Amino acid sequence: KAGVTQTPRYLIKTRGQQVTLSCSPISGHRSVSWYQQTPGQGLQFLFEYFSETQRNKGNFPGRFSGRQFSNSRSEMNVSTLELGDSALYLCASTSGTGQDEQYFGPGTRLTVT
Amino acid sequence: QQQVKQSPQSLIVQKGGISIINCAYENTAFDYFPWYQQFPGKGPALLIAIRPDVSEKKEGRFTISFNKSAKQFSLHIMDSQPGDSATYFCAAVLPSGTYKYIFGTGTRLKVLA
Repeated sequence: KAGVTQTPRYLIKTRGQQVTLSCSPISGHRSVSWYQQTPGQGLQFLFEYFSETQRNKGNFPGRFSGRQFSNSRSEMNVSTLELGDSALYLCASTSGTGQDEQYFGPGTRLTVT
Repeated sequence: QQQVKQSPQSLIVQKGGISIINCAYENTAFDYFPWYQQFPGKGPALLIAIRPDVSEKKEGRFTISFNKSAKQFSLHIMDSQPGDSATYFCAAVLPSGTYKYIFGTGTRLKVLA
């Protein structure tokens, strides 16, 4: 079974730009969660999508948004990038129908200059 | 109340020694406690997990000890090996329906050869 995949793996953007990250969950998994990982803040929950609907949301500004498609693939968008948005963005998938283990992708390393 | 406090921040252990990482939580609604292992450049991988109806779970060299009354749980790595050098995260999960993972801040473990 293929794992969680994320694209791109690395990204360099300039302040003020926007960026879209993509995540493909494990086949059959319907829930995708997004996290921001930084050295100072650890893993911070952004949001979770299940069956194309946002089911949970963390405490991030509205510049961070996401969506999920009918095939469970998910995208995360960050608009008006700030230097502080530089981080590793991780997505994780579960079946979504119970308290299952989360399986993480390798992450997208975003650098904002 | 949603925080999970993890300690120590970093840990150095000799090969063959025991590594111990501790986590504490406040919210008694959490009912699933996984530990993740993360190597540089990789996403976190589920290592071992416990539910509060048991006080200990062992998988190979890895053991979770859980103290429900103290609202604390810990990861013990027996016979620590240099290959165990990684960052370890504890997490606490709310019941399904309000699905949400809260992660500790991570412990960077270095096992000396």
